[in-house]
Amino acid sequence: GQQVMQIPQYQHVQEGEDFTTYCNSSTTLSNIQWYKQRPGGHPVFLIQLVKSGEVKKQKRLTFQFGEAKKNSSLHITATQTTDVGTYFCAGLRDSGAGSYQLTFGKGTKLSVIP
Amino acid sequence: DAEITQSPRHKITETGRQVTLACHQTWNHNNMFWYRQDLGHGLRLIHYSYGVHDTNKGEVSDGYSVSRSNTEDLPLTLESAASSQTSVYFCASNTGTQGRRNTQYFGPGTRLTVL
Repeated sequence: GQQVMQIPQYQHVQEGEDFTTYCNSSTTLSNIQWYKQRPGGHPVFLIQLVKSGEVKKQKRLTFQFGEAKKNSSLHITATQTTDVGTYFCAGLRDSGAGSYQLTFGKGTKLSVIP
Repeated sequence: DAEITQSPRHKITETGRQVTLACHQTWNHNNMFWYRQDLGHGLRLIHYSYGVHDTNKGEVSDGYSVSRSNTEDLPLTLESAASSQTSVYFCASNTGTQGRRNTQYFGPGTRLTVL
């Protein structure tokens, strides 16, 4: 079945440093989504990428979707303590069969040291 | 405002008991999903439904069942709870529209402990 690998599993950064998490799928994706889960909370949708090579920005967050639509990354510039949490990528397989299941990566847990 | 709720938020039960976790959404979404979250495993899909009377098995469905009698609710039942089912359970829903509008909205989660 489809697998979505995400690295690193954990990342500790000093406040102000940059952070990147990477996501790789074993199959071509229709789209990829990113979610953030604060400690003790539930996953919250951040963004969706659909097009090959797409780059989107949300303030200090930059999201990229690979040309082959099999990998993605999330980059945070100058981390702040409010960025703490676990970031998940989730891929929707390009099955064309009306499937709406997402396959989640295991997440990257970000800790920010003030 | 539309929302997705889960109950109970915390549950402690004993091995062998039947447990039902409730999920209710007021988004009028066609699709509903149940995940479990365990350290080191991320979010794993248990069961999902694409509409009333439709249910499907996910990646880790053994020991779980669901039923969909209306649009708003997808209860998750553990037929005979096992300690391996101690986890945090999240319900989610989305519109099911082809293409871009398939982001998932998650409930607050239920923390289940099986002793």
